[in-house]
Amino acid sequence: DTGVSQDPRHKITKRGQNVTFRCDPISEHNRLYWYRQTLGQGPEFLTYFQNEAQLEKSRLLSDRFSAERPKGSFSTLEIQRTEQGDSAMYLCASSLTLGGNTIYFGEGSWLTVV
Amino acid sequence: AQSVTQLDSHVSVSEGTPVLLRCNYSSSYSPSLFWYVQHPNKGLQLLLKYTSAATLVKGINGFEAEFKKSETSFHLTKPSAHMSDAAEYFCVVSGGSQGNLIFGKGTKLSVKP
Repeated sequence: DTGVSQDPRHKITKRGQNVTFRCDPISEHNRLYWYRQTLGQGPEFLTYFQNEAQLEKSRLLSDRFSAERPKGSFSTLEIQRTEQGDSAMYLCASSLTLGGNTIYFGEGSWLTVV
Repeated sequence: AQSVTQLDSHVSVSEGTPVLLRCNYSSSYSPSLFWYVQHPNKGLQLLLKYTSAATLVKGINGFEAEFKKSETSFHLTKPSAHMSDAAEYFCVVSGGSQGNLIFGKGTKLSVKP
């Protein structure tokens, strides 16, 4: 499978712990996106990278959240001091740079904070 | 600001009957519009996209959508529903920045045998 892959697919953590999600985009894609989806809602944009540069961050991305893409390939999304409100599915997506290109999504990483 | 409104949170049809999922959009410029489908425990899959070419857009699995600027609508249709079409469908508008897609709240499609 050469699609967008995310790991882990499911994570249960205690409130206050830190968690990290990894995303591997489609190999030739230089854009990488993170979205968050809560139950009954559509995905909401968090941030995106072009190569290793983080070009946009949503106001939803509080200072407890940090995303990196150090070599312009895979990306990590870390949540520090998790809260119950962080429980959601975190979706990664990738695309080529050219405008109008399709954004391909991974299957998501489910986070449950107890 | 860009936004989309999906007019139905749940649509139920019988297998073999037409499907209509309604979406209205708001955009301060000529938008790019998309429909994505999400099956349970699966990622989002692009069904079709409109990027200012033909107003009638054909997608995968027999779905199509028509861009109507005068009505600010982008409804998704399929002539004959199949059981495998049961899923959540999202209408999406490009947010203006190069990375930001704005999703509607979704319409859950149920297909009865």
